[in-house]
Amino acid sequence: AQKITQTQPGMFVQEKEAVTLDCTYDTSDQSYGLFWYKQPSSGEMIFLIYQGSYDEQNATEGRYSLNFQKARKSANLVISASQLGDSAMYFCAMRDAGTASKLTFGTGTRLQVTL
Amino acid sequence: NAGVMQNPRHLVRRRGQEARLRCSPMKGHSHVYWYRQLPEEGLKFMVYLQKENIIDESGMPKERFSAEFPKEGPSILRIQQVVRGDSAAYFCASSPISGGASYNEQFFGPGTRLTVL
Repeated sequence: AQKITQTQPGMFVQEKEAVTLDCTYDTSDQSYGLFWYKQPSSGEMIFLIYQGSYDEQNATEGRYSLNFQKARKSANLVISASQLGDSAMYFCAMRDAGTASKLTFGTGTRLQVTL
Repeated sequence: NAGVMQNPRHLVRRRGQEARLRCSPMKGHSHVYWYRQLPEEGLKFMVYLQKENIIDESGMPKERFSAEFPKEGPSILRIQQVVRGDSAAYFCASSPISGGASYNEQFFGPGTRLTVL
């Protein structure tokens, strides 16, 4: 069975600094995808970034990058130049080829950006 | 192109009543997923549907919960005889195809917050 672990319930970062949110995963499949979502206080789920298990390059989307270490089964999200609007819950999720497309989510990390 | 729509956004029910949650996927999307988020937790998969078919309901509680995605109209998540433990945010997501492990973003709706008194 798949499992996603996010060990940081809460994180603080100063504005304009970079922050890394940890995510480790467990799967027996060779083919899988990893996602990060942002959930602000308003409650909606916002897709941030995707990494495929066969992608050789780490994914990047603007200020977001994914530090993918396949051997360690980790997919950490790096946010550069943090902004106050980045304060939110962040969820790591995984989908593998054998699960009919459903996403398995971690428990999330609450990020607070301070002045 | 409108996003995934869910209604109502907030729903209050008394114990024992029925809750009906609606989800209209994005235009052109024929795959719908329902997830539940309990307070302070991550989202948990409930059910995956295509038009007129339930593909995977491994996350659905065995009793009181049902889901459908008819040929016409929105997908419906139905909770009968609600209990306080059903209080949660229920999210619907849609995708154009079944993604497997390949990139296939699921677009999430804004969620329905169910409160059971």
